[in-house]
Amino acid sequence: GNSVTQMEGPVTLSEEAFLTINCTYTATGYPSLFWYVQYPGEGLQLLLKATKADDKGSNKGFEATYRKETTSFHLEKGSVQVSDSAVYFCALSEGGSQGNLIFGKGTKLSVKP
Amino acid sequence: GAGVSQSPSNKVTEKGKDVELRCDPISGHTALYWYRQSLGQGLEFLIYFQGNSAPDKSGLPSDRFSAERTGGSVSTLTIQRTQQEDSAVYLCASSLTGDSPLHFGNGTRLTVT
Repeated sequence: GNSVTQMEGPVTLSEEAFLTINCTYTATGYPSLFWYVQYPGEGLQLLLKATKADDKGSNKGFEATYRKETTSFHLEKGSVQVSDSAVYFCALSEGGSQGNLIFGKGTKLSVKP
Repeated sequence: GAGVSQSPSNKVTEKGKDVELRCDPISGHTALYWYRQSLGQGLEFLIYFQGNSAPDKSGLPSDRFSAERTGGSVSTLTIQRTQQEDSAVYLCASSLTGDSPLHFGNGTRLTVT
């Protein structure tokens, strides 16, 4: 079946450090891929997405590229800020609905000043 | 309100009791989803409503779980004869259409004692 595997947390970085959160997937078809973020005390929100191979999603300085050959969708940011502290979830969907999502377990990021 | 609203925010119940969790989606959103987030686990899809179509119930873990959406708006997730393994955060999300990004509520934390 379809699944998403992302790196275990927690991840602790200093401000301005480079961030990578790894995500790989298993899917039978051609899924769309997403990163969702949950800031403390808030609901999950979409960070970025990519709907086909080689697409790059980007938002708020974060990027992720849909790599079909490695079945990966790693999240990167060149210089993290304290305000990026949150839990990040990688997810995939197949078919037309963006809502029937399969999520990874989440990676908690803490950024220290 | 501006976002997806869930109530109650916390619920403690005794094993064997029934519980009802409520979700008010964003006005005008035709799609509504329920997810469950158990400790140390990713988000698990439960059920999906789209307009007047029959709901996708493929994620419901047992027949103790049911959900309805009245008038295409408010949804109620009911868990009958609760068990300790039902303890989790139950998240509701809505989207403008089935192809649109999801907007999540803050969830209901259910504890079964």
